Amino acid sequence: SQQGEEDPQALSIQEGENATMNCSYKTSINNLQWYRQNSGRGLVHLILIRSNEREKHSGRLRVTLDTSKKSSSLLITASRAADTASYFCATGSNDYKLSFGAGTTVTVRA
Amino acid sequence: DGGITQSPKYLFRKEGQNVTLSCEQNLNHDAMYWYRQDPGQGLRLIYYSQIVNDFQKGDIAEGYSVSREKKESFPLTVTSAQKNPTAFYLCASRRTSGDNNEQFFGPGTRLTVL
Repeated sequence: SQQGEEDPQALSIQEGENATMNCSYKTSINNLQWYRQNSGRGLVHLILIRSNEREKHSGRLRVTLDTSKKSSSLLITASRAADTASYFCATGSNDYKLSFGAGTTVTVRA
Repeated sequence: DGGITQSPKYLFRKEGQNVTLSCEQNLNHDAMYWYRQDPGQGLRLIYYSQIVNDFQKGDIAEGYSVSREKKESFPLTVTSAQKNPTAFYLCASRRTSGDNNEQFFGPGTRLTVL
């Protein structure tokens, strides 16, 4: 079942601007992950945040997790044309399966 | 796309035919997964396997079958019982040691039913 829901569905920004997308989920989780998918390709893992963590950074990525609100956000700073892709959140539970949201499509304009 | 290969990249099938999608990984991962992705949607889990010779149904297993005879291989058969098989199919694998369940994905197979 698809537990995560991303918001917005689509986002268009100018190169150099920041991009923020949100993910909400319904049941308790063990961890939450963000993946990127370029058009017609497989998914690439970006970052994982555990349920006992509140914020995590990786390069130009910043992820927050609020388990009380069952929500997470992904911030991409100083966006580049190469960041154009779809971004998915995925929630993990103890059974090692992931539930993916429908994704946010990000377009970075030069 | 890591050490996971999927073949073929594009596959065309006539209605009523079974077709098998290949997934091979050289990452020495125990767990493997098959997902289906429809346009504008996220991934839905078809089948997964945590160990050789064992697999479980995911959320949309009807019309699909799998086997896991080798650690490296997890082929998916789309049978004629699958009423709407046209989709993008993604295979993934995961290391089961530790508590990190990051998945590594293959490049995908786009199946079109003619």
